Amino acid sequence: GAGVSQSPRYKVTKRGQDVALRCDPISGHVSLYWYRQALGQGPEFLTYFNYEAQQDKSGLPNDRFSAERPEGSISTLTIQRTEQRDSAMYRCASSLVLEDPTFGNTIYFGEGSWLTVV
Amino acid sequence: AQTVTQSQPEMSVQEAETVTLSCTYDTSENNYYLFWYKQPPSRQMILVIRQEAYKQQNATENRFSVNFQKAAKSFSLKISDSQLGDTAMYFCAFFNSGNTPLVFGKGTRLSVIA
Repeated sequence: GAGVSQSPRYKVTKRGQDVALRCDPISGHVSLYWYRQALGQGPEFLTYFNYEAQQDKSGLPNDRFSAERPEGSISTLTIQRTEQRDSAMYRCASSLVLEDPTFGNTIYFGEGSWLTVV
Repeated sequence: AQTVTQSQPEMSVQEAETVTLSCTYDTSENNYYLFWYKQPPSRQMILVIRQEAYKQQNATENRFSVNFQKAAKSFSLKISDSQLGDTAMYFCAFFNSGNTPLVFGKGTRLSVIA
């Protein structure tokens, strides 16, 4: 597709269940990022990949959160044993090249996955 | 770690007037990039303007311009001739190549009033 695609767009899950959020970046984009955005807050960095390698996962809140990008394209963010505080929009972004000095022009955000834990 | 602070949670401006949104940041780096993103109710993230720290000249994009004060670590956004379509959340963001990508501030909600 033409843009970063995320699915599901909306997910309601019961506390304690596992959820998997998918990101399909723009074809050929090297870098893929995951952010979390609570209502009224700015995006909070979670983790990012260059190709299939996870470069930085320092933003993952705890060990219930994990991400993978096994073939360097589609990525999955998994939240195990969900809690109500996990409710937020999870946004994926991708960019064409590594450490691109025109970063701001080449990063593309997906529309996000709204997660509600009840 | 780099931090980005937006001290104005909400602002409003009359249509056709000018408004300035504030942003300060903290870094020990010398080379970096600063951005303003717009997030309308649709929740898209739209790049408004970008500034490279090594450039002294302030960036300008049509009605949008910045006042970049490197020594003061300040990066404000000025919107001239405000339009109703400018109503949105505005996020200031910092990027240092080689570090974690795009650190965002908490945002300023701007309302343009007819």
